[in-house]
Amino acid sequence: KQEVTQIPAALSVPEGENLVLNCSFTDSAIYNLQWFRQDPGKGLTSLLLIQSSQREQTSGRLNASLDKSSGRSTLYIAASQPGDSATYLCAVIPYSGAGSYQLTFGKGTKLSVIP
Amino acid sequence: SAVISQKPSRDICQRGTSLTIQCQVDSQVTMMFWYRQQPGQSLTLIATANQGSEATYESGFVIDKFPISRPNLTFSTLTVSNMSPEDSSIYLCSVGQGQPTYFGSGTRLTVV
Repeated sequence: KQEVTQIPAALSVPEGENLVLNCSFTDSAIYNLQWFRQDPGKGLTSLLLIQSSQREQTSGRLNASLDKSSGRSTLYIAASQPGDSATYLCAVIPYSGAGSYQLTFGKGTKLSVIP
Repeated sequence: SAVISQKPSRDICQRGTSLTIQCQVDSQVTMMFWYRQQPGQSLTLIATANQGSEATYESGFVIDKFPISRPNLTFSTLTVSNMSPEDSSIYLCSVGQGQPTYFGSGTRLTVV
């Protein structure tokens, strides 16, 4: 059974710092990996999607990497801003070959960016 | 991309009652998914809903407690039946066959 772990559970940084969030998964047979942002009491916003054949994806100040063989992904946030404060969730779609696209989530990293 | 409208956004319900959550998508989709997020926890899949067939439920979730309808390719409902305080959670619908997956804004349910 696929398990996804995110470290740290919480992170507080001063504004302007660069930071890295970590995600690990136990089964390397994945279809893809997705990073989401969740604001308190809200739904999820998709940030980046990395296909299993890709090594990284970039969007603005965000860069996500994937090392499938070691079961790891990182989300790099450059020049953090108070508006980046949220919970960041990592999720994988296991490669089941059966056309199932359900996500397995980590518990998230709660990020606070201090002005 | 897909835009998902989910309602209600929040509700406070009495134990023993039922609540139906609606999810409307701006395009036709084959699969829709319903997730639960209990306080302080991550998301857990409740069921997968395909149009024209019975929903497929994950271990620990049953149709009598969480009946799902999928009348067409743009709409689905999840009912939380005979609610107890343990059902207090955020419920989210999602669409997308992993390319990527999109979520509704969620329904925050409190059972008192």
